[in-house]
Amino acid sequence: AQKITQTQPGMFVQEKEAVTLDCTYDTSDPSYGLFWYKQPSSGEMIFLIYQGSYDQQNATEGRYSLNFQKARKSANLVISASQLGDSAMYFCAMREITGAGGTSYGKLTFGQGTILTVHP
Amino acid sequence: NAGVTQTPKFRVLKTGQSMTLLCAQDMNHEYMYWYRQDPGMGLRLIHYSVGEGTTAKGEVPDGYNVSRLKKQNFLLGLESAAPSQTSVYFCASSSSPQDTGLLLNEQFFGPGTRLTVL
Repeated sequence: AQKITQTQPGMFVQEKEAVTLDCTYDTSDPSYGLFWYKQPSSGEMIFLIYQGSYDQQNATEGRYSLNFQKARKSANLVISASQLGDSAMYFCAMREITGAGGTSYGKLTFGQGTILTVHP
Repeated sequence: NAGVTQTPKFRVLKTGQSMTLLCAQDMNHEYMYWYRQDPGMGLRLIHYSVGEGTTAKGEVPDGYNVSRLKKQNFLLGLESAAPSQTSVYFCASSSSPQDTGLLLNEQFFGPGTRLTVL
């Protein structure tokens, strides 16, 4: 079963508008973290934002915010005031605390990614 | 402070050849990881290490071996390369939850190695 699902292979947005990238996850671990990474065409992985399963408030980092709906198991990334430089692949990832055999090793499970294109 | 570095950046191999990818981090992180990224897919964990001298298998370990003789280095080996191993390989490192007491242990990624096996 997919642990992280990103249902939007590609998204388009007009410059200066907001866009939401969807992410749903599946876990039975009560302690987990949700991450978003950006991968521009140059290939590097850039950390954007994090949400912990026990965090009461939605995470925000500048123009990035995470719409965390725990009951629905969704962790959507919202980018406000899109810029041309936001065009990239975006990955949602989850880190569960308890690994196989009860060992904590912090493994990240990634979704398949969403390609965001910002139009001028 | 270089963060996470990977050597080499690009490599072309013939089927059956062997090679070693080197990952180095200067952040004193306990945990290190090797991922592969294939087109249309997210990153998948190959092997990981929770400390010097320890390694363990991830999701897709077949055809790879790893070693962590020094805390700062994590080596990924391909003993007999196959075309199915053509991919972009990312190394990452993070502090351990035990060290920080925090759920947030951001993984810092290297720039990637693009490997083609002919």
